[in-house]
Amino acid sequence: NAGVTQTPKFRILKIGQSMTLQCAQDMNHNYMYWYRQDPGMGLKLIYYSVGAGITDKGEVPNGYNVSRSTTEDFPLRLELAAPSQTSVYFCASSPSGGRVWQPQHFGDGTRLSIL
Amino acid sequence: TQLLEQSPQFLSIQEGENLTVYCNSSSVFSSLQWYRQEPGEGPVLLVTVVTGGEVKKLKRLTFQFGDARKDSSLHITAAQPGDTGLYLCAGKPRPGGSQGNLIFGKGTKLSVKP
Repeated sequence: NAGVTQTPKFRILKIGQSMTLQCAQDMNHNYMYWYRQDPGMGLKLIYYSVGAGITDKGEVPNGYNVSRSTTEDFPLRLELAAPSQTSVYFCASSPSGGRVWQPQHFGDGTRLSIL
Repeated sequence: TQLLEQSPQFLSIQEGENLTVYCNSSSVFSSLQWYRQEPGEGPVLLVTVVTGGEVKKLKRLTFQFGDARKDSSLHITAAQPGDTGLYLCAGKPRPGGSQGNLIFGKGTKLSVKP
């Protein structure tokens, strides 16, 4: 019963480098999300997806890209890493939406430092 | 911009004390959720409140949704060290709003000392 799995758990990047944060869920959830959590700032939505092949921007999408080729996977790509992208990144998933908000299941996060 | 303001930002108490944390907004929400996050882990859902005035209990935790659906509170009775963590509220704004419109507060960091 893995739930939402994020890899890697920690990563240090140099300015200008690129990387992909991986996220996989085994609950057959249609909705998946990427958030960043900065100290004292709560969670900010980067991108989300309502199903395979469909993605949409959240509150802070600049500097990131996503794709959703399968129901299970939702990778987040940083093309040109900048110090402002130092943060903890959380992936989450939820069942199909409705009037009542569905619970989001979170992974344990990827701690990313850009130096 | 719709915001959820949580207070207090930090709270340090002794085991056995009672406490209340708040989640307030000027906007109406169709539902609110409370999550708890422990260091090094992702948030975990505690409860969802949907109806204005609704009260839900989860053991020593009592959650209330305001009558106007603009605010919520979390009350913990006889706090224990295991309650230590970051408490986040999250809301789905009205009217409309897709699943991508979930808004999180900044959280209340609770420390319960033995």
